This record gives sequence, C-alpha cells and structure tokens, in this order.
Amino acid sequence: GAGVSQSPSNKVTEKGKDVELRCDPISGHTALYWYRQSLGQGLEFLIYFQGNSAPDKSGLPSDRFSAERTGGSVSTLTIQRTQQEDSAVYLCASSLELAGDTQYFGPGTRLTVL
Amino acid sequence: AQSVSQHNHHVILSEAASLELGCNYSYGGTVNLFWYVQYPGQHLQLLLKYFSGDPLVKGIKGFEAEFIKSKFSFNLRKPSVQWSDTAEYFCAVNRGMNTGFQKLVFGTGTRLLVSP
Repeated sequence: GAGVSQSPSNKVTEKGKDVELRCDPISGHTALYWYRQSLGQGLEFLIYFQGNSAPDKSGLPSDRFSAERTGGSVSTLTIQRTQQEDSAVYLCASSLELAGDTQYFGPGTRLTVL
Repeated sequence: AQSVSQHNHHVILSEAASLELGCNYSYGGTVNLFWYVQYPGQHLQLLLKYFSGDPLVKGIKGFEAEFIKSKFSFNLRKPSVQWSDTAEYFCAVNRGMNTGFQKLVFGTGTRLLVSP
C-alpha cells in the first residue's frame, strides 16, 4: 500500500505567519511521530501520537508549535508566528504499535521562513 | 538524557572497499536499535533493526550491524561498497517496548561518498 505522505512538499512563508503541515500515515498505523531535520540540530523528535492522544510532546520547541490528530489518522502540525529558526524539513513517521515496530518516514515538508 | 554518537561525520571510500560506521548510545536499559539511510533526494528508509535475539543483524543491500551490549555499540558494516551506497546514514535508538518512551533518538549522521 501507500507509504506516509506529507503535504505540502515545500512551503515558503514570511516571518510571523502561521503554517500548517499535514501528514497522512500508513493505513492502520496507530502511532504517528513528528520530527524535524535541520542543519544545526540534526534529526529531532517533536511529538508522538498514539491514536488521537499525544503522550509525549516533550520535543516541541515552544508554545508556538502544536499538533493534533483526528480519527486516528491524519495529523496536522501547526507553527504560529513563524521565525527564521523554524526553517527545517519536518518529517512525519508512522508505525503499527509502539517502540517495537519500525517507524516509516514520509518525504518531509521543507519549510523556509523568510 | 539518552544520546547517540556517530563518530564519523564524513567517509569517502572507493568502490569495493569495506565499510564500518560507528554508533554508540548512552542508555543502559533495554533498547531497540536502528540504522536508517537517506539517499540523495529521497526520504529516510530503514536499513536494519535490532530488537532482541541474535546480535548480528542482516539488513537490505548487503548491510549488517552488530549489537555489542557491553560496549553500547551498534556498528554498521558492509564488506564491499558500491557507488549506489552514497548516502547519509543515521543510527537511532529507542527504549524497549512498554516503557512509554517511543521516540527515536538519532545520531548526527554520517555522509558516505563512494567514488567509482
């Protein structure tokens, strides 16, 4: 079946604007993860969902970042009042269960904040 | 805090050379270990993983890795690299099942360039 999909693939925005990034996990995967890949910080965990709840939000860098998941499927990562340091590739991954299963990654959304 | 170290940031090899990329992690409990690869312009793909059992794990494309618990290491190896192995390689760790700590902690990555 289809893999993890993310949209948009690229997003250019102006500092101070809000952006929404979308992730469609693999069908049937109950766990969903958001990571960020940037030059200075490497690959960083942001948040994970088990079903619609988020047991671990420890990686969200500030209260400008939020995420939700509805229907146990699609997730949206929202960044409010974007800053230049938010520029990065935002990756979504999904897995069947918890730590015991492989996380499958999507192609990412490249966010550029001007 | 849990951390993962990849000591080789850039590696340049000729085709047919042998490859070993180092990975060490800091957590002392039960861990799950992964190697992911990112080919140019592509997304992260799983190369291989270790959960339990035989510490020598075989992955795709001729890669293997050995889990040495006493050394907190999970080094990646390939006997003979090809030009198509040019990519960035990431080691990652998460804690064992049922602990509530499911996030992957990644190393900083190793960029491998294989010259033909």
